Amino acid sequence: DVKVTQSSRYLVKRTGEKVFLECVQDMDHENMFWYRQDPGLGLRLIYFSYDVKMKEKGDIPEGYSVSREKKERFSLILESASTNQTSMYLCASSLPQGGYEQYFGPGTRLTVT
Amino acid sequence: EDQVTQSPEALRLQEGESSSLNCSYTVSGLRGLFWYRQDPGKGPEFLFTLYSAGEEKEKERLKATLTKKESFLHITAPKPEDSATYLCAVQARGNAGNMLTFGGGTRLMVKP
Repeated sequence: DVKVTQSSRYLVKRTGEKVFLECVQDMDHENMFWYRQDPGLGLRLIYFSYDVKMKEKGDIPEGYSVSREKKERFSLILESASTNQTSMYLCASSLPQGGYEQYFGPGTRLTVT
Repeated sequence: EDQVTQSPEALRLQEGESSSLNCSYTVSGLRGLFWYRQDPGKGPEFLFTLYSAGEEKEKERLKATLTKKESFLHITAPKPEDSATYLCAVQARGNAGNMLTFGGGTRLMVKP
């Protein structure tokens, strides 16, 4: 079974703090994704990566950056957290070929106060 | 621009009362349509992939079907444990990175 794990289930940070969210997958998938999910707005893609050290912006990259130093690990960084970044953050991975499903982690509920 | 619309937003059923969830989509060449189940506070769980009109997939009480404009998730004789939000997503041909476009989801509540 594909397993995608995220470093924290719940996280509370203060405005202005630098926040790291980590994601690890164990299926040797090339593609990895970061989403945020908000009521009424659905799942929105922040960044994705199709290879080590490669990254592409998604629909809402502002205020975020990412790092992929190893194939199995994809990190999302909030350089200076703001209250409007309070959300559920979901990581996913997939094979590189088109038509394959993405597998999601359990999510991190981030609250910025 | 690819778009996915799911209806209804919420659906209440009695246990055993069969129904269908709708996913309407517009996409510039469909590579795949995906159904996920999401329980509160958890990540989406993959259910099905459909690739072409006329295709059907089944899993326990769930059956997904696909036409050129929409997909249906049929739930036969649902049980309370089927209560969840069901998400539909599409992937377009030529899509860099195999990105998905998600619908807003249908929240299903099954009462015993």
